[in-house]
This record gives sequence, C-alpha cells and structure tokens, in this order.
Amino acid sequence: GENVEQHPSTLSVQEGDSAVIKCTYSDSASNYFPWYKQELGKRPQLIIDIRSNVGEKKDQRIAVTLNKTAKHFSLHITETQPEDSAVYFCAASKGGYQKVTFGIGTKLQVIP
Amino acid sequence: GAVVSQHPSWVICKSGTSVKIECRSLDFQATTMFWYRQFPKQSLMLMATSNEGSKATYEQGVEKDKFLINHASLTLSTLTVTSAHPEDSSFYICSADKQGNYGYTFGSGTRLTVV
Repeated sequence: GENVEQHPSTLSVQEGDSAVIKCTYSDSASNYFPWYKQELGKRPQLIIDIRSNVGEKKDQRIAVTLNKTAKHFSLHITETQPEDSAVYFCAASKGGYQKVTFGIGTKLQVIP
Repeated sequence: GAVVSQHPSWVICKSGTSVKIECRSLDFQATTMFWYRQFPKQSLMLMATSNEGSKATYEQGVEKDKFLINHASLTLSTLTVTSAHPEDSSFYICSADKQGNYGYTFGSGTRLTVV
C-alpha cells in the first residue's frame, strides 16, 4: 500500500519567514496530493491540493510543488503569520473514492 | 460546497458499553466514506472504507467485529465501537469525497473517552 513520509515533524519560524514541509510517497499510482491544516481538537481543513498532471500550484501565500519522477511534493508557506501555527498533514491518494494516506504531520510554530 | 456532519462531537462512556457515531453528507451523496482514528499528537490512521449498500473494507489490524460500520444510505454512515475499553479512547473522524471530485471533506470529529 501507499506510504507517505513527512518531515520535519516540528518546525519553528519567525513571523514573516517562509516555511517548507516535504513529503515523499511510494505508490506511483497516486495522483492526488492534498495538504491539510489541523488546529488542536478540530477537523483537518484542506488548504491546497495538487494533481499529478501539474507541477506547481499557488494560492496566495501557499504553494505546493510536485515531482512525480522523484515521488515527492512540498508545501511552501511564505510571509508566515502567527495564525499559520498548526499541524500540517500531507497526503496521497489515487483520487476518486480512493482512500487517503496521511503523513505523520508537521507541527508548525510561527514565533511573533 | 461539500459539508460532512458528524455526531456526537464528544462522548464519554463506561468500559464495556457500545457507542455509535454518525457521519452524514449534508449536500451531496457519498457512496464511499472513510473512518479515521487519531490518537493525541499523531496522524490520522484509516480504519475502514465504508461503502453504501455493501460491507466495509477494513484496514489491516482493525477488528471488524469491534468497529461495526453501516452505510445504509447515500448520506449516512455509522461507526459503532462495541464493548469499548479505555484504549479505544481517541478522536474518530469521517470523511467523504463528493462524487469522486478529489475533494475529500472531513466531519467535525468525535472525541471518545472510555472510562
């Protein structure tokens, strides 16, 4: 089955700096890669996703890149703000009704 | 948008009793729903895939007789934790994909505490 590895497990950055979280996946058939933000005690919220036919996607301060050959994808957050502090999960799926496999999560702390 | 409702949001039960958790897709039909379990400071681990009108598919290591899943309609899946024990205490959360559009939406989660 799919295996998603994520690092780092914790990340502290100064407000205004950039944060990068990296993930790798094992199943070459995976074609959908969502990123979720989870605040304590709450449900994961989809913040951005990318499909395997796209190499990069950006939404304001958040961007995701995908390297299909190397089977890795990354989340980039620029101009970080304290409200960005949360746990971020990467995930991989074959899409359309298929299960989603999550990475272990990265606890991001943005220091004011 | 796609909205998934989960109930209850938290429950405390005595050891040995059963607890039912409901997951509803409010504005779309979900032939497939997923049940996850999340222990504190850990990732979401898939327990089973719930299929409308058929048996659920359980992940390796998940006891199907202990975690009963019923997906009787296109908008409702239930997870029943039978004979709950303290080690079953966890955050249970469901998700659904709106018509295979790759947009997985999560329910609000259920915090189960077994005492």
